[in-house]
Amino acid sequence: GAGVSQSPSNKVTEKGKDVELRCDPISGHTALYWYRQSLGQGLEFLIYFQGNSAPDKSGLPSDRFSAERTGGSVSTLTIQRTQQEDSAVYLCASSSKNYGYTFGSGTRLTVV
Amino acid sequence: GQSLEQPSEVTAVEGAIVQINCTYQTSGFYGLSWYQQHDGGAPTFLSYNALDGLEETGRFSSFLSRSDSYGYLLLQELQMKDSASYFCAVRSLNTGGFKTIFGAGTRLFVKA
Repeated sequence: GAGVSQSPSNKVTEKGKDVELRCDPISGHTALYWYRQSLGQGLEFLIYFQGNSAPDKSGLPSDRFSAERTGGSVSTLTIQRTQQEDSAVYLCASSSKNYGYTFGSGTRLTVV
Repeated sequence: GQSLEQPSEVTAVEGAIVQINCTYQTSGFYGLSWYQQHDGGAPTFLSYNALDGLEETGRFSSFLSRSDSYGYLLLQELQMKDSASYFCAVRSLNTGGFKTIFGAGTRLFVKA
């Protein structure tokens, strides 16, 4: 596609439920990042995929968080047993170079 | 570990010049990027410096000094639409591969 697509754009879920966030990167982009941004805060690194290499999961805050990237394209971030502190905007970015990431519009997650 | 420091807020007048500084600590430094984010929007890529010196793109310039672990974003002829948050981001290469870490962001207020 023309840009990075994320879905859903907004998600309200009850505490304790699982959620799946989807990212469809720009076609041909080998690098894909997930970041989390709380209101008025910076971007917190979560996980990084590069081609067929093992992902860098060092930013995942707990074992409730997991992500996969199928076929080197679409990625899904899963949060199990959601907590209120998981509420944030989850941003996905992709790139074909070492820099200059293109971000999606994000998924605003609200855990009530 | 990795860390970046940038001022939390900067205020400037329309038409003026403003400089947003960024200092970083990391091993395996590869390059420094700058991103702009308007309220409610996704970050957009502005510039990337891998080598020392100044890179100019229109009204925006970015500078890097690798020996000082320091860079800055220079915005000239400020316009009201430049009011946004600006993030520096360090790309580094370590045993786990490449990773890009963002600073907490500098909120720029442009006054008439």
